[in-house]
Amino acid sequence: EAAVTQSPRSKVAVTGGKVTLSCHQTNNHDYMYWYRQDTGHGLRLIHYSYVADSTEKGDIPDGYKASRPSQENFSLILELASLSQTAVYFCASSDGYSGNTLYFGEGSRLIVV
Amino acid sequence: GDSVTQTKGPVTLSEGTSLTVNCSYETKQYPTLFWYVQYPGEGPQLLFKVPKANEKGSNRGFEATYDKGTTSFHLQKASVQESDSAVYYCVLGGFGDNSKLIWGLGTSLVVNP
Repeated sequence: EAAVTQSPRSKVAVTGGKVTLSCHQTNNHDYMYWYRQDTGHGLRLIHYSYVADSTEKGDIPDGYKASRPSQENFSLILELASLSQTAVYFCASSDGYSGNTLYFGEGSRLIVV
Repeated sequence: GDSVTQTKGPVTLSEGTSLTVNCSYETKQYPTLFWYVQYPGEGPQLLFKVPKANEKGSNRGFEATYDKGTTSFHLQKASVQESDSAVYYCVLGGFGDNSKLIWGLGTSLVVNP
């Protein structure tokens, strides 16, 4: 009954290949987010969205695209995967209001070789 | 600009000992302060939040006081357990929407039995 689910949970990709990470939420939240987690950097915001069919750049958007086809679904796309994009990626949702809680998925571990 | 600085880990403790994870913040605004916890193999989850200065938040035996005078929000627990082993994030928020959250780098806590 997890409210934010990510797929795949783990993936090995080839340098230069295309990777799509998917996220689905059942919280009925307007806002969805993609974060990247690396040792020494904590969590960094890549893209976010507050409405279907629209996405916004976060703090580290270079090399990533995002897609929000519906309120429930939010994808992160790496068109040309690079070694530096090896990381754990987290999707989250919230109602967006200032000071409210983010609900995270379990993460997608991406290894680019 | 806005920033958060927290204890650099890892912090290693024995069961039954006390914990303090320091968190200091800088902002000219009036933030909401959060502690998130991330257990191994999971996404971060809210431990608790405090929206007002001079108030205390608590959950699962952890507590922190929003000290506007010293701009601090230190996490404390009197007696840690092995199950508390996790990464703890201090987060600054309340600036418009949640795309503007400021995350600390996280403090890894290892509790030995």
